[in-house]
Amino acid sequence: QVQLQESGPGLVEPSGTLSLTCAVSRASITTHSWWGWVRQPPGKGLEWIGAIYHGGSTNYNPSLKSRVTMSVDKSNNQVSLKLNSVTAADTAVYYCATNDNYCLEHWGQGTLVTVSS
Amino acid sequence: EIVLTQSPGTLSLSPGERATLSCRASQSVGSSYLAWYQQKPGQAPRLLIYAASSRATGIPDRFSGSGSGTDFTLTISSLEPEDFAVYYCQQYDTSPPVYTFGQGTKLEIK
Repeated sequence: QVQLQESGPGLVEPSGTLSLTCAVSRASITTHSWWGWVRQPPGKGLEWIGAIYHGGSTNYNPSLKSRVTMSVDKSNNQVSLKLNSVTAADTAVYYCATNDNYCLEHWGQGTLVTVSS
Repeated sequence: EIVLTQSPGTLSLSPGERATLSCRASQSVGSSYLAWYQQKPGQAPRLLIYAASSRATGIPDRFSGSGSGTDFTLTISSLEPEDFAVYYCQQYDTSPPVYTFGQGTKLEIK
């Protein structure tokens, strides 16, 4: 079954841009329609950030929409997340997941991003 | 925005007992749009139930989901030691398209 692996800097400075990549393996990125991102602040619950269709259409959480950009790289079989103007409130474990059928079925292991100077 | 409220916040039970977890929505949710997840410490969430009552691939049949409208339930018929974890419900809203999660129920060993 599909495997997902998030990667990116573990530390981002305040007001900077968080950039993460989700590498997809054991399946083509076109196997699933939508690819989502979810985050979880330490000790807290889950927040859906948004999702991108393999063709490039996006849906973003309205609470983050002004700061989020997602993209698809079919040639490298990966999806990416950018979140700008970050603050300490954006410190969280960030997950990518398949986002079809109104749920999130296959998840990456997650990557912790800390916003701090 | 639809808000999901899970209860109880913490549920203390023993292995072999039956667990009933509740998820209440602030507005009606389509049954196709309700899912349940299990999360253990240090791990990613795991999809258990989608479309309110359909078990995901590989999920044991002791897990079942039910409900409609604003009230949904996850039932674990007989708890196994590996079932003690945090459980989240999740819904999809069509306008605007957004997913939201409940705050979670922690199922702990009594």
